Amino acid sequence: AQSVSQHNHHVILSEAASLELGCNYSYGGTVNLFWYVQYPGQHLQLLLKYFSGDPLVKGIKGFEAEFIKSKFSFNLRKPSVQWSDTAEYFCAVYASMFSGGYNKLIFGAGTRLAVHP
Amino acid sequence: GAVVSQHPSWVICKSGTSVKIECRSLDFQATTMFWYRQFPKQSLMLMATSNEGSKATYEQGVEKDKFLINHASLTLSTLTVTSAHPEDSSFYICSALKGPFGQGTRLTVV
Repeated sequence: AQSVSQHNHHVILSEAASLELGCNYSYGGTVNLFWYVQYPGQHLQLLLKYFSGDPLVKGIKGFEAEFIKSKFSFNLRKPSVQWSDTAEYFCAVYASMFSGGYNKLIFGAGTRLAVHP
Repeated sequence: GAVVSQHPSWVICKSGTSVKIECRSLDFQATTMFWYRQFPKQSLMLMATSNEGSKATYEQGVEKDKFLINHASLTLSTLTVTSAHPEDSSFYICSALKGPFGQGTRLTVV
């Protein structure tokens, strides 16, 4: 079955540290990949997405992610985090279901990032 | 850009009553909408996929008679929580196919 794994459930960093959040998926077909952020008390916001083309995707707020097809990964990175980056980050994969009849967007469990000033 | 509007943003209801949540695509047509549920401190769990003009597809473990989904037009999908109970209290979010999310609806059943 299709699944999305985020290996880091909780990450604690100091300001200015570099960030990398892992995301792996288990599906061999064509996928679209997303990273969302949810700040405390707020709804989901799209950070960045990959549909096709350059596998290194730039998003908002200095975030970027790299799609590595051979590793089924789409890791999120930021060179220098800020206190305001404290939030929960969700990786999501949209895959075409060749057998099953419909497509769906599946979320990882999320990673809680806490940045200390 | 594409916008999805979800209403209401929060609702409190008594046990045993039904609650309808609307999800509208404002500037595009959405043949497919996803409905998610998010418990506190947890990820979004896909409940069902609604398809305009046909029956919704429910994920395993989701009671289709309890969570009624209707997608009668290309701009509106609705989720009705029937005979709500306190354990149905959650945050419900809709999303267009490959697209934006609604603001979410916080349901509290008392």
